[in-house]
Parts: sequence; structure tokens; C-alpha cells
Amino acid sequence: KQEVTQIPAALSVPEGENLVLNCSFTDSAIYNLQWFRQDPGKGLTSLLLIQSSQREQTSGRLNASLDKSSGRSTLYIAASQPGDSATYLCAVPDQTGANNLFFGTGTRLTVIP
Amino acid sequence: KAGVTQTPRYLIKTRGQQVTLSCSPISGHRSVSWYQQTPGQGLQFLFEYFSETQRNKGNFPGRFSGRQFSNSRSEMNVSTLELGDSALYLCASSWGRGRGQETQYFGPGTRLLVL
Repeated sequence: KQEVTQIPAALSVPEGENLVLNCSFTDSAIYNLQWFRQDPGKGLTSLLLIQSSQREQTSGRLNASLDKSSGRSTLYIAASQPGDSATYLCAVPDQTGANNLFFGTGTRLTVIP
Repeated sequence: KAGVTQTPRYLIKTRGQQVTLSCSPISGHRSVSWYQQTPGQGLQFLFEYFSETQRNKGNFPGRFSGRQFSNSRSEMNVSTLELGDSALYLCASSWGRGRGQETQYFGPGTRLLVL
């Protein structure tokens, strides 16, 4: 069974700093990897979906990279802002062909003004 | 385009009762998945419905069930509620091509508290 881990569990940075969130997965035969953002008590917002054939995907200040062979992905956030404070989750789909996602444990980010 | 909607947003029940949660997917989406989120276990997959058929099921007891209607709206039911069922229940919709090939869009969730 696929297991997804995120390190660190929590991160606190001053505003304006660049930061990297890490995600690792045990089964490297993934179709894609998604990064989500979750605000307290709310649902998930998809940030980036990176296909297995891609190495990077960018959206604004966010850049996600994927290294399938090592079972790792990183989410880079440039010039962090207080509004970036949230929990960030990565997820990979079930390899059996089903549509369900295996989620990481999340990184709770706090950006201090 | 309206997003995924879930009703109710908050619910308080007592042990032994049953509960029904509803999810309306984005227009045109045929796949609806349900997840349970708790502080201890994180996000766990419950089941997925596609064209009114359960396509996949997670590792949850039979007290958890669901269905999907012809308009793709979905309901999930939990019978004989236990304290451990307290959680945020999220649904997600997508076109349904499977294999997680596409972005899944999540609703705001229903927070269930079992007393």
C-alpha cells in the first residue's frame, strides 16, 4: 500500500522568505502527484498537479518538482506572505487504476508578518 | 461555475444514531469520492462513485455506506454512530477518467461531532 509522508509537520517563517515543503512516497510507480492547500476547518484547494512525465510544474509563486525514482516531491513557495499560512498536503493516486488519493500527513505553515 | 457543495456543514449527533451527508459535484462531473479527515489518521478514502456505481471502497466498516443518483449527486450514510466517527467528511468531484489522472475538486466538508 502506498504511504505518503511529509516533513516537516509544521513550519514557521518570517514574511518574504522562500521555503520548501517536502513530500515522499513509497511506491514510485505513480501517475501523478497533487499538492493541496487546506485552511483551518475548510476543504482542500488544488494547487498543482504534476504528471509522472513532468519534472516541474509552476503556478505563480509556487513551483512543484517531482523525482519519481527517489519517491520525492517538493513544493517551493517564493516570497512567502501571511496569506500563505495553511496546511499543505500532497497526494498520489491509487496505482490500481481507481480514482482515490493517498494523502500525506501535511505540513502546517505559518508565515509571520 | 459552481463548486462542490456539501450539506449540512455542521452536525451534532449522539452515539447510536445514524447520519446522512450530501454532496453535489461540479456540473458535468460524474465521479464523487468521499474522505474522512481526523487529527489522528489524517485524510482517509471512504469510497468513490461513478455513474451511480461504487467503483472503489476504502477500509472502513460496513456502517459507512453511500450512493449516487442519476444527476451525480451523492450521499453517504453512517449508521450506529461511534465517538470515533467525529471527523470532517470531505467529498471530491472529477470527470472520472480514473487513475487520478485529473484534478479533483473538494467541497468545504461536513464537520460531524458525535457525543
